[in-house]
Amino acid sequence: DSGVTQTPKHLITATGQRVTLRCSPRSGDLSVYWYQQSLDQGLQFLIQYYNGEERAKGNILERFSAQQFPDLHSELNLSSLELGDSALYFCASSVLAGGFVDEQFFGPGTRLTVL
Amino acid sequence: GQQVMQIPQYQHVQEGEDFTTYCNSSTTLSNIQWYKQRPGGHPVFLIQLVKSGEVKKQKRLTFQFGEAKKNSSLHITATQTTDVGTYFCAGPGETSGSRLTFGEGTQLTVNP
Repeated sequence: DSGVTQTPKHLITATGQRVTLRCSPRSGDLSVYWYQQSLDQGLQFLIQYYNGEERAKGNILERFSAQQFPDLHSELNLSSLELGDSALYFCASSVLAGGFVDEQFFGPGTRLTVL
Repeated sequence: GQQVMQIPQYQHVQEGEDFTTYCNSSTTLSNIQWYKQRPGGHPVFLIQLVKSGEVKKQKRLTFQFGEAKKNSSLHITATQTTDVGTYFCAGPGETSGSRLTFGEGTQLTVNP
C-alpha cells in the first residue's frame, strides 16, 4: 500500500460524457501527478500540481482538466469522452517539487472504459 | 522534446536466466529512477541513481547509470517468477525538474 488513494477503481461510461477521478496523496506529500496508461503502453504524464498550484503540464488534452484542493487532494476531470480515452489513470504523489526529483508513490489507478 | 527509450520492449526468459533492460535518454539526465509494475498493479519505485557511473545493487538486481548520464541499465541475475512485471526507467523532464519522463517499459515474463 503506497498510501495514495484513488477513487473510483473502475468507471464505465459512454462517449460524450464527463467524469471526475479523485486522488488523495500520501500524508505530507505536496505534489500530485496524473498519468495515463493505455493498454500495454507506458506512462504518459498529464499534469502536476504542487501545493495547490499547477506546476507542469504534459500531454494533457484540452478536454481534460485538473485541480488540487487546499486539503491537497486532486481531481482529474475528463469531458467529451471518446473511445480512445479508455485507459488506466494513475495518480502519484511526492514530497517535494521545484527542481528536486524525488520518488513518486503511485495509487492503485482508476480504470476508465468508454463505450 | 526529451525522449527516454527502453529496449527490449518484451523479454521472455526461463526461470534462472539473467535479464537486462536498457534505458537511453536523448538528453543528459541529472538522475534516473527505476520502477516496477506488476501485472494488474501500479508502478512501484525501485531505486534512484544520481552519480555518473553509479552502480547500485538490491539483492539480485543491479542498476547502472552511464558515465555520460544518458543511459542506464537494470540487470536481474537468476530470474524468479516473482520478477514478472514491467520495468520502467524515468528521468526528470527538461522543462520541469520535478516531473518524470517515463520510458515505454520492458515487459518481463518468466517461465517456471
